[in-house]
Amino acid sequence: QSALTQPPSASGSPGQSVTISCTGTSSDVGGYNYVSWYQQHPGKAPKLMIYEVSKRPSGVPDRFSGSKSGNTASLTVSGLQAEDEADYYCSSYAGSNNLGVFGTGTKVTVL
Amino acid sequence: QVQLQESGPGLVKPSQTLSLTCTVSGGSISSGSYYWSWIRQPAGKGLEWIGRIYTSGSTNYNPSLKSRVTISVDTSKNQFSLKLSSVTAADTAVYYCAVLRLGELSLDYWGQGTLVTVSS
Repeated sequence: QSALTQPPSASGSPGQSVTISCTGTSSDVGGYNYVSWYQQHPGKAPKLMIYEVSKRPSGVPDRFSGSKSGNTASLTVSGLQAEDEADYYCSSYAGSNNLGVFGTGTKVTVL
Repeated sequence: QVQLQESGPGLVKPSQTLSLTCTVSGGSISSGSYYWSWIRQPAGKGLEWIGRIYTSGSTNYNPSLKSRVTISVDTSKNQFSLKLSSVTAADTAVYYCAVLRLGELSLDYWGQGTLVTVSS
C-alpha cells in the first residue's frame, strides 16, 4: 500500500486559511469515507482533528474542516493561529484486513 | 477517556528483539469498540503502521514487517504488547501505541510515544 500524497509544506498568515490536499486512489481515499486527519506538534504524539472525512471530535475548533472529492481529501484550517503551526497527516481506510495508509505529511507554517 | 502509556527498553542491540508494552487506563482492553494498535515514526519522517490487534486476538500486520512482528493482548493486566525481532538500525524510531475506534476507523487516542534506538 503506497502512502497518500500530501504537499511537503503549506503556509499562511494569522487569520488566513490554508488547505492541505491528500491524494490517494480508488482503493483508499476514493473508495471509502474513512479519511482522518492528525495534527502533530514537535516532540508530541499525533492528535485526531477530523474523522470520516469531515467530522470533528469534541474539543477540536470549528476552524478545522475536512472534505473529499474523488481520490483527494482536503483539510482546511481557517483563521490561522500560531498554535496551528504543526505537521499534519491524513490517513485512509483501504479495505478489510488492511491496516490503512497514512499520508506523507505536511508542515504548516504560520507566517 | 482512554489513556495509553508505552514502556520498554530505549536501547536494543542489532539482531535482538524489541519489546514494548502499552498500558491502558480509563477503559477496558476487553472492550469490543477498539483495535489496539502500534505505529512508529523514524526521526524526521512520517507515520508507519506496524499492526493492530482486536480483543478476540485477531491481528493485522504491515506486510513489510509481518515476518518479524507479534502483537498480543494481556486482558488481566489491561495491556497489549509489541515484539519486533531481528532489529536493525532502520527500526530506530519513536513507537506509539494507539486506539483505532471501530466504526469510525479513526485513531482516537495515542500514547506519548517512546524512542527506541537500535545500536550496539
